[in-house]
Amino acid sequence: AQSVTQPDIHITVSEGASLELRCNYSYGATPYLFWYVQSPGQGLQLLLKYFSGDTLVQGIKGFEAEFKRSQSSFNLRKPSVHWSDAAEYFCAVATDKTSYDKVIFGPGTSLSVIP
Amino acid sequence: DVKVTQSSRYLVKRTGEKVFLECVQDMDHENMFWYRQDPGLGLRLIYFSYDVKMKEKGDIPEGYSVSREKKERFSLILESASTNQTSMYLCASGKGAVNSPLHFGNGTRLTVT
Repeated sequence: AQSVTQPDIHITVSEGASLELRCNYSYGATPYLFWYVQSPGQGLQLLLKYFSGDTLVQGIKGFEAEFKRSQSSFNLRKPSVHWSDAAEYFCAVATDKTSYDKVIFGPGTSLSVIP
Repeated sequence: DVKVTQSSRYLVKRTGEKVFLECVQDMDHENMFWYRQDPGLGLRLIYFSYDVKMKEKGDIPEGYSVSREKKERFSLILESASTNQTSMYLCASGKGAVNSPLHFGNGTRLTVT
């Protein structure tokens, strides 16, 4: 069965430090891949997505992610974290490219930022 | 900006009560979804709808039902609330296929005592 794992339940970084959040998926073909962010008290917001083409994708708020087919990974990165980046981050995989109901969300990684 | 509005931010209900969670979107999206969010489990799809009067079961529909009488409104119903339905509930809407993003409401935190 298709699945999405985010190995880190919680990560703490200092403001200004770099960040990498890990995401691994299990799916036979190349899926659509997403990262969403959920700030405290808010719904989820799309950070970026990968459908095809360049495996390094740029998103909003200075985030980027790299698709590595050989590792079945789609890790999220940011070179310098801001205090406002403290949030829950969800990786998601669409196994059917035409229907939202086939989007599988990972368990989430909670990010804390130390001033 | 697309706005998805969930009528309540917090709800406290008693076991056995019938509970209605309301969701309204203002961008004429065909597709609407209800998710349940629990720590360590991510988002799990309860029900979804791709058109008015249409509804489909998601991954965890047991104990829930939905109603979509108008395009902009999608209601989640707990026929007889139980303590294991204490959770955060998220509504989302989207247009077309997955190449356009899902837009989420801010969530309703439901506590069943």
